[in-house]
Amino acid sequence: DQQVKQNSPSLSVQEGRISILNCDYTNSMFDYFLWYKKYPAEGPTFLISISSIKDKNEDGRFTVFLNKSAKHLSLHIVPSQPGDSAVYFCAVPGGGADGLTFGKGTHLIIQP
Amino acid sequence: EPEVTQTPSHQVTQMGQEVILRCVPISNHLYFYWYRQILGQKVEFLVSFYNNEISEKSEIFDDQFSVERPDGSNFTLKIRSTKLEDSAMYFCATQDGNSNQPQHFGDGTRLSIL
Repeated sequence: DQQVKQNSPSLSVQEGRISILNCDYTNSMFDYFLWYKKYPAEGPTFLISISSIKDKNEDGRFTVFLNKSAKHLSLHIVPSQPGDSAVYFCAVPGGGADGLTFGKGTHLIIQP
Repeated sequence: EPEVTQTPSHQVTQMGQEVILRCVPISNHLYFYWYRQILGQKVEFLVSFYNNEISEKSEIFDDQFSVERPDGSNFTLKIRSTKLEDSAMYFCATQDGNSNQPQHFGDGTRLSIL
């Protein structure tokens, strides 16, 4: 039962271009969504989040879009930089003390 | 920026032995979590801990696992009798108690069961 799906295991983007990472979810009751970034041998690092009352949240080069009717969110990175090469996870909380449910991740590779 | 600290970074243990993984949470955080990531798989929730007791646990967190906060600072995960399939990265995470704030993760302990 995958509550959060990231259907692209990997994505290759040229430096300077836009990277778009996608995530689909199944439960319309989710009200908060997060993106984490993970480098090898490190823990996940929080990147950006969005509440279900919004459809867009922007932080510098990173923008998350939420389409509630489609149960879809996307992370846009522009312009992409070499340091953005990492695995990106979308995640949803269960609420309160509940743990996060992660997608399988998308490995983003920024090519020079 | 405050960090979640995990020790050891790598633990190698014989099957059947007990292991204790340690985490020092961010000081003002109230909620503590353990996750694991088996090689090539996604990060999976194990257990959450609040006010000195387990709040929620997943199906993975069976009787072989336990958590405690023995001294008010460290937060530990104990696996009583390790199995080969326990080999994974184990991540500790903490949160300040505001449900709209993110969980902050440590860099993990790589557990290798021989």
